[in-house]
Amino acid sequence: GENVEQHPSTLSVQEGDSAVIKCTYSDSASNYFPWYKQELGKRPQLIIDIRSNVGEKKDQRIAVTLNKTAKHFSLHITETQPEDSAVYFCAASKVQAGANNLFFGTGTRLTVIP
Amino acid sequence: NAGVMQNPRHLVRRRGQEARLRCSPMKGHSHVYWYRQLPEEGLKFMVYLQKENIIDESGMPKERFSAEFPKEGPSILRIQQVVRGDSAAYFCASSPGLGRTLNIQYFGAGTRLSVL
Repeated sequence: GENVEQHPSTLSVQEGDSAVIKCTYSDSASNYFPWYKQELGKRPQLIIDIRSNVGEKKDQRIAVTLNKTAKHFSLHITETQPEDSAVYFCAASKVQAGANNLFFGTGTRLTVIP
Repeated sequence: NAGVMQNPRHLVRRRGQEARLRCSPMKGHSHVYWYRQLPEEGLKFMVYLQKENIIDESGMPKERFSAEFPKEGPSILRIQQVVRGDSAAYFCASSPGLGRTLNIQYFGAGTRLSVL
C-alpha cells in the first residue's frame, strides 16, 4: 500500500517568515494530494490540494508543489501569522473507482512566534 | 449546509463494553470514510463505505470492529469488547463521489473514545 512520509515533525518560525513542509509518497499511481490543517482538538480542515496533472498550485499565502518523478510534494506558507500555528498533514490517494481513501503523513506541528 | 456531523463528541467506556460512533455525511454526499487518530499521530484509514455497501475495509481490524452505512440514517462504527488500545479520536469524512473534484473529503469534528 501507499506510504507517506512527512518532515519535519515540528517547525518554529518567526511571524512573517516562510514555512516549508515536505512529503514523499511511495505509490506512483497516487494522483491526488491534499493538505489538511488541524488545530488542537478540532477537525482536520482542507487548506489546499493538488492533482497529478499539475506541478504547482497557489492560494493567497499558501502554495503546493508536486514532483511526480521524485514522488514528493511540498507545502509553502509565506508571511506566516500566529493563526497559522497548527498541525499540518499531507495525504495521498488514488482517485479511482473503489479507491479513494487518504494515506496521511505523520504531521508537522507548526508554531509561529509573534 | 451542515457539515459532517459526528456524535457523540466524547465517549467513555469500560473495558469489555461496546462503543457505537455515528456519522452523518454532508448533504448530498454518498461516500463515507472512517479514520482513527492516536495521540500525537496522523490519521489512519479504517473503512470506506457507500450507501448499504462496504467498499474498502482494509484498514479496519478484522475482529471487534464493524461499520455500516444503511439506506436511511447515519453511518455507524461499532467497536465490541473495547480495550484500552482502542482509545483514540475517530474521525469520519464524506465526499460527494469519486470523480474529479468530487473526491474531496470533508471531516467531522471526531469522537474521542476513552476506554477505562
